[in-house]
Amino acid sequence: KAGVTQTPRYLIKTRGQQVTLSCSPISGHRSVSWYQQTPGQGLQFLFEYFSETQRNKGNFPGRFSGRQFSNSRSEMNVSTLELGDSALYLCASSPQGNHLRDYGYTFGSGTRLTVV
Amino acid sequence: ELKVEQNPLFLSMQEGKNYTIYCNYSTTSDRLYWYRQDPGKSLESLFVLLSNGAVKQEGRLMASLDTKARLSTLHITAAVHDLSATYFCAVGLYLGQFYFGTGTSLTVIP
Repeated sequence: KAGVTQTPRYLIKTRGQQVTLSCSPISGHRSVSWYQQTPGQGLQFLFEYFSETQRNKGNFPGRFSGRQFSNSRSEMNVSTLELGDSALYLCASSPQGNHLRDYGYTFGSGTRLTVV
Repeated sequence: ELKVEQNPLFLSMQEGKNYTIYCNYSTTSDRLYWYRQDPGKSLESLFVLLSNGAVKQEGRLMASLDTKARLSTLHITAAVHDLSATYFCAVGLYLGQFYFGTGTSLTVIP
């Protein structure tokens, strides 16, 4: 059974550019969440999508956005990159809908973004 | 804002010894998750604790949840080198949003 797939694995971008990261959830999983992991701030929630709708959003600036497609694949976009956006970006998927109590989330391997 | 505190942040222990990692959180929740992360790797789900008094065990690891005390523990029994990793607890709120603890970096010394 394929896990959560994130592409690309590594990315180097220049300040001011924009970037799009992709996440393919486990087949049948409809909920996708995104997290940013940095040494200083740890793991922070970005947003969660279910059935192409953003249901919840963390405390990040509007430069961070995302979307989910009908096949549950998700993308996140960061515009006008800053040095502080350098991080490991993780996505996680779950089969659950409104009841988040029983399954937890399976994480992908992440995309390591470096902004120079 | 919900705060999730883990202690210790760093733990160095000898093989064969026992130890406990603590996870305190600041708001009401009856969903607590433990994850393991190896260097440069993603998060691996260890336990999902969904009610007060829940206890789960897998191999040398045992996790418990006390929702009244807002405390979860991860107990390590007879540690082995393969358990060296960073362990995170995470409190589940709604809609796929976890608040993660700071992580406990565990090193098991032969």
